[in-house]
Parts: sequence; C-alpha cells; structure tokens
Amino acid sequence: QQQVKQSPQSLIVQKGGISIINCAYENTAFDYFPWYQQFPGKGPALLIAIRPDVSEKKEGRFTISFNKSAKQFSLHIMDSQPGDSATYFCAASDSNYQLIWGAGTKLIIKP
Amino acid sequence: DGGITQSPKYLFRKEGQNVTLSCEQNLNHDAMYWYRQDPGQGLRLIYYSQIVNDFQKGDIAEGYSVSREKKESFPLTVTSAQKNPTAFYLCASSIQVAQPQHFGDGTRLSIL
Repeated sequence: QQQVKQSPQSLIVQKGGISIINCAYENTAFDYFPWYQQFPGKGPALLIAIRPDVSEKKEGRFTISFNKSAKQFSLHIMDSQPGDSATYFCAASDSNYQLIWGAGTKLIIKP
Repeated sequence: DGGITQSPKYLFRKEGQNVTLSCEQNLNHDAMYWYRQDPGQGLRLIYYSQIVNDFQKGDIAEGYSVSREKKESFPLTVTSAQKNPTAFYLCASSIQVAQPQHFGDGTRLSIL
C-alpha cells in the first residue's frame, strides 16, 4: 500500500513534442505529490508539486494532472526540449511526510 | 550561496571498514534526510532528523548510523554491517518535516 508505481521506465520524445509520465498509488492517506528532476551525477530537484484539492497545476511547460478517484497523477512536459532530458521521479507522502518514491523515468528528447 | 554540500563526491570502502559521508547545509533547515539510490529504483529513506539531537530510522536503516549534533550537519556512517553498500547516497533538507526537500549532489560509494 506504500508503493508508488511509475511508468514508463524510459521515454524518447521528439523535440517540440509532449512528454507524459504516469504514476499510481494505493494509499488514500497520501496528500502531497511532488515531481523531481534529476540530471546525471546530481541530486534531484523539485520541479512541481500538487495536493489533492486541485486536479491540475501548471508551471511554465510543466503540468501535473491529478485524478483522485483513480489514484493516479501524471506529469506533462509541453514543447519538450533537449535540456529536459533527465530522470524524473514522482513521489507521494502523507502527514508524516515520509516521501515514497517512484522508480523513475529516464526521458530523452531527440533534437 | 545557500545549499547542501555533500562530501566526498566519490568514496571507496574496503571490506570490514566503516566510512562516514558528510552532509552540511547552510539553509537554516530544521529537518535533514539521508537516502540511498540504486540504479532503476527510487530513493529509499535511511534516516531522517526533525531537529538537533533527534533522528528516526527510515525504511533501510540497518547497517547505517547517523548523528545530529549541530543543525547544519547530519553525517552518515556506513558500517561494516551493511553488506551491500555500493550506491549513490543523497542528503536532503527541508525547513521542517512536511515541507519540500532540497538535495545535495550526492556521494557515490564503491567497494574496493
């Protein structure tokens, strides 16, 4: 029940296309859903986060869509650029704030 | 520049040896965390500390130890009891527990 399942494991998108990464969870007590971006040899950096009281949050080219009934949330990257090539992690936490992480998606944007 | 500094960037351990990974932050954050990252897996929590002189075990604490004697510092010791220590270790901090976490650039530990 503590798992966060992330898919796909890897993703190749043409420059200018839309990148979509999906995550699913079981624990209905989760109330915070961040996405992190990690470049090789670096630590993850917080990209965008959402709480279950909204269904969508947009920051620039990055959008989180949240479906509470389906217990799923996804990251959309619009107009994907080569600089977006990185590993993306979804995570979830409850009031104890122990983050439960997805396994990561390696995104490659082809020029 | 505020941030989290992890050192060293690369570390090699001999069999039966304890090694200590350093994590220092100048963000004035109360909470600090240690994670382990293995290829193809998400981050797994080793230990976390909400405040000075207090810390809690995470999901994979066996074979590891920590201390939190100063607000800025949260060193992690990988003991000889950790049989599979080869991994990328990440330190993070947040203003308080339940606030966004900021990460250092990690230490890669390998076995000689």
